[in-house]
Amino acid sequence: GENVEQHPSTLSVQEGDSAVIKCTYSDSASNYFPWYKQELGKRPQLIIDIRSNVGEKKDQRIAVTLNKTAKHFSLHITETQPEDSAVYFCAARTTSGTYKYIFGTGTRLKVLA
Amino acid sequence: NAGVTQTPKFRVLKTGQSMTLLCAQDMNHEYMYWYRQDPGMGLRLIHYSVGEGTTAKGEVPDGYNVSRLKKQNFLLGLESAAPSQTSVYFCASSSQGAGNTIYFGEGSWLTVV
Repeated sequence: GENVEQHPSTLSVQEGDSAVIKCTYSDSASNYFPWYKQELGKRPQLIIDIRSNVGEKKDQRIAVTLNKTAKHFSLHITETQPEDSAVYFCAARTTSGTYKYIFGTGTRLKVLA
Repeated sequence: NAGVTQTPKFRVLKTGQSMTLLCAQDMNHEYMYWYRQDPGMGLRLIHYSVGEGTTAKGEVPDGYNVSRLKKQNFLLGLESAAPSQTSVYFCASSSQGAGNTIYFGEGSWLTVV
């Protein structure tokens, strides 16, 4: 079945450094890749997304890259701040049959002041 | 605009009891989903629906049933609760078409003792 692998599971960085989270998906028919940020006790919130016809997208300090051939996509956060500390989830929307969102297992990011 | 609303937010059940989680969305979305979230396991899809009157199994459907009698509502039922069903449950919805994001409810914390 469809699967999304996410690494690393935990990541600690110093404030101001960059953070990179990587995901790999299995279903080559996937065409949409959102990233979610989840703070403790809250719902996941969309922070950035990318479609399969685009290789890179940037929004201020956050960027996402997609390599369709390798079925990899990554989240890049630059100039990290303490408020970036949260759990981040990647997801892939499959189009095989019906639309389903399959999520990675999450990355707990800690930004150390 | 309330978005996606879940009730109840918190519930404690005894093993063997039954209950229903209600999800309502006011965005006229065709697709609705139920996920469960456990530590280190990410968001796993239980059941989903692509339209009124239709439901389908996700990754972890056993022990749950769902119904979508109205487009705006998606109910998740536990017929005989088990401690393994202790989790946080998130309902979500999305519109039809490629690349449309998924919106989450605030979550329902369920403990089975």
